[in-house]
Amino acid sequence: NAGVTQTPKFRVLKTGQSMTLLCAQDMNHEYMYWYRQDPGMGLRLIHYSVGEGTTAKGEVPDGYNVSRLKKQNFLLGLESAAPSQTSVYFCASSYSPPAGLYNEQFFGPGTRLTVL
Amino acid sequence: AQSVAQPEDQVNVAEGNPLTVKCTYSVSGNPYLFWYVQYPNRGLQFLLKYITGDNLVKGSYGFEAEFNKSQTSFHLKKPSALVSDSALYFCAVRELGYNNNDMRFGAGTRLTVKP
Repeated sequence: NAGVTQTPKFRVLKTGQSMTLLCAQDMNHEYMYWYRQDPGMGLRLIHYSVGEGTTAKGEVPDGYNVSRLKKQNFLLGLESAAPSQTSVYFCASSYSPPAGLYNEQFFGPGTRLTVL
Repeated sequence: AQSVAQPEDQVNVAEGNPLTVKCTYSVSGNPYLFWYVQYPNRGLQFLLKYITGDNLVKGSYGFEAEFNKSQTSFHLKKPSALVSDSALYFCAVRELGYNNNDMRFGAGTRLTVKP
């Protein structure tokens, strides 16, 4: 049972390049989330998904897109990277309602992204 | 929208002493409160949560937190700190509502326990 895994662990991009971050979970969770962590700002929600084929915007969605084609995977895309997107990105998952809305989230180890 | 504040960036305690990491929240309805811990180069790990019931919640690794509705606080406590407790701690709040099932995190408090 690997829990939540993220690929890649590190990445350096040039401004304007694109990339996709992959999150996978093996806990059969319905809910999945993408956060970014910046110093002094805690975690901020980018997008989330309440089930396969559904996604929704979080607190800071601009510049990012997501897809949830399979229940176990949640992809985060940057179409045209900007230096402001330099951050550590965390994926998380949790159980589905009715318990899921009150349940803790399980986090991946993070992806450190630098945009030059 | 819900929000949470952690008024201290840094907390330093000596090993064996009690520790407190503070958290206050703001919601319009009922709060669902969480504490997470982050060790270096790792993702967040769940410590404990308050949903309803007893105001004193016990969690992992000997931590506990007290929900105080009148003061809108949810402070994390431990009677006797260990050096291995040194980490970054995040308080989080979730409020249920239409199109609003995300969790809001505080900025984090770095706890350092010195031998």
